[in-house]
Formats: sequence, C-alpha cells, structure tokens
Amino acid sequence: SSELTQDPAVSVALGQTVRITCQGYRLRTYYASWYQKKPGQAPVVVIYGQNNRPSGIPDRFSGSNSGDTASLIITGAQAEDEADYFCSSRDTSGDRLWVFGGGTKLTVL
Amino acid sequence: QVQLVESGGGVVKSGVSLRLSCGASGFTFTSYALHWVRQAPGKGLEWLAVISYNGDTKYYADSVKGRFTISRDNSKNTLFLQMTSLRAEDTAVYYCTRGAVPDTHTYYFDYWGQGTLVTVSS
Repeated sequence: SSELTQDPAVSVALGQTVRITCQGYRLRTYYASWYQKKPGQAPVVVIYGQNNRPSGIPDRFSGSNSGDTASLIITGAQAEDEADYFCSSRDTSGDRLWVFGGGTKLTVL
Repeated sequence: QVQLVESGGGVVKSGVSLRLSCGASGFTFTSYALHWVRQAPGKGLEWLAVISYNGDTKYYADSVKGRFTISRDNSKNTLFLQMTSLRAEDTAVYYCTRGAVPDTHTYYFDYWGQGTLVTVSS
C-alpha cells in the first residue's frame, strides 16, 4: 500500500523559516493536506490542496508541491507552532483508502 | 458552527465490543462523507474508515477490516463505529472527522471532534 514519508523531527529557531516534507507516490495524483496536532487537542487542518489555508490559519503557513513531494512551510515560526504535523492524502490503491504520514515533531528553539 | 462530538469511549477488556458515537451539528449532515481516525499513545494518526453521505458506501483500513463497522443515522445526525474483538493495540483516541472535496485532486478533513479515549486492557 502507498505510504507517506515524513522526517520524524525538525527544529527551527524562533522567527526563522522551516520546511516540513512529505513524500509519497500518490502525491503525484492527489494533493496532500497538512494537520497540526498538539497534545490533548484535536488535529487542525492548516494547508490543503495546491496551497490553501482555512480561515483562521495564520498566513505564515503555506504549502508547495513538486512531483511526489509536498512541503509545509512556516515562515517566521512562532512558539505556538511547536506541535506534531501530519500530512495526509487520498490513496486509491486497494479500497480507496486514505493515508497519513508518520508525523513530524516540530520544535521551536 | 460545525461541531462533532464523540462519545462512548472507556476502559474495556480485550475481546469485548464497544460502540462509539459522533454527534454532528452546524452543517447539512447528509451532504458529507464522514471518517474515523485514531491516534494510539505516542503514535501517529491512523485512518480507519469512511462512510458515504447516504451510508451506501463504506471502506476500512486493513487493520480494522472485519472487526469494526462504520454506520450513520442521518435522521439523528450521528455517526457510529462498532468495534468488536478489541485488542490492546486498539487503545487510542478515536476521532470522527468530516471529509471535504473541493476538487478532484484534493481531499481533506476539515472538521474534527475532540476525540474519545478507548483503553483496552489485557
């Protein structure tokens, strides 16, 4: 089955820019979506589609796509951005499954 | 505003069954597919199941196929997850989430409930 591969951990200095990547074959067909997950809270979508931010998501969050790799970019990272980030995509192998990446723990230094 | 509220979690013994519910409000329930996603302690998000807007189509992750059943009651705006033969590895927070499809290449989960914890003890 298709997988989405993420780096387990990434760190960024406060106010700097960080890129979190997600790689998978199905990203050539479907855009990834990105979810911020903090302990004890529900996931929140921060980017979906080509590069769309839901209302209420700061504009420092953006997305990009190239081939089989999607990226979540945080420009000017803030302390409150420290969280786990998961990518997700539709996966039409087998029974039209959906799949999540393993997640990236973002630390803001 | 859109709200999804899960209930039904708890501590159960291995091998028993449990039914989770997800009450929805603030949107036209019959217009959306709904999903269950879980997160085991210290682990990532795992997609489990989806049900179409009218309940006719259902798909499951291999890890729960044959043990879990997703269903919905559109007259009560409620989503369910019937879980049988529970195992220790099913211990997780279970979330219901709504699917959004703005175009043919984009699918995402736009609203999530707060989750309900299921703990399976051996």
